[in-house]
Amino acid sequence: QKEVEQNSGPLSVPEGAIASLNCTYSDRVSQSFFWYRQYSGKSPELIMSIYSNGDKEDGRFTAQLNKASQYVSLLIRDSQPSDSATYLCAVNKMYSYDKVIFGPGTSLSVIP
Amino acid sequence: DADVTQTPRNRITKTGKRIMLECSQTKGHDRMYWYRQDPGLGLRLIYYSFDVKDINKGEISDGYSVSRQAQAKFSLSLESAIPNQTALYFCATSDRRGGSRETQYFGPGTRLLVL
Repeated sequence: QKEVEQNSGPLSVPEGAIASLNCTYSDRVSQSFFWYRQYSGKSPELIMSIYSNGDKEDGRFTAQLNKASQYVSLLIRDSQPSDSATYLCAVNKMYSYDKVIFGPGTSLSVIP
Repeated sequence: DADVTQTPRNRITKTGKRIMLECSQTKGHDRMYWYRQDPGLGLRLIYYSFDVKDINKGEISDGYSVSRQAQAKFSLSLESAIPNQTALYFCATSDRRGGSRETQYFGPGTRLLVL
């Protein structure tokens, strides 16, 4: 079992719809969770981080964390064509010397 | 100017050649990382360094070596390049003061083709 898993996609949604991206992780001591966005040929950039169970909202983005189910998700409301990218889920454990583990990414395509 | 820079941005080399990819940062971060990215495989960690004297292997270090010349510089070498090492390479930095919440900041990437 991989440490961080994501549906590879591609996930296609119409413009204006809600895009839902999912991520599961295997290590229960994981403490910090991140969503990075990567446009084709570009470097990843952080868009959301979440550390506690529940929802965290930032503009059109909402991150959801359920540690009991070892599940983290990213919702994108009112999806725009500019949201078309690969979304990487990343997980860090309790101690600062543990390295971040990235999932394989989910490709999102927003259709105008 | 970019906080994390990588040189070269693109490189074509031949099998068996030794090449070096360089990374510099002006963010003042103590931690630096080298990743490679292949289609469908996501980011895979090659080496990471938590300070100048602390260098560690990642999950795919075979065929690679690194040098942390200073806090701001971290170089990746391919001693004898092979076509299997054709990939997009990213350098990243983070600040240990963030603890487990530290964010990684990525350079623009180096696209390497080994013929």
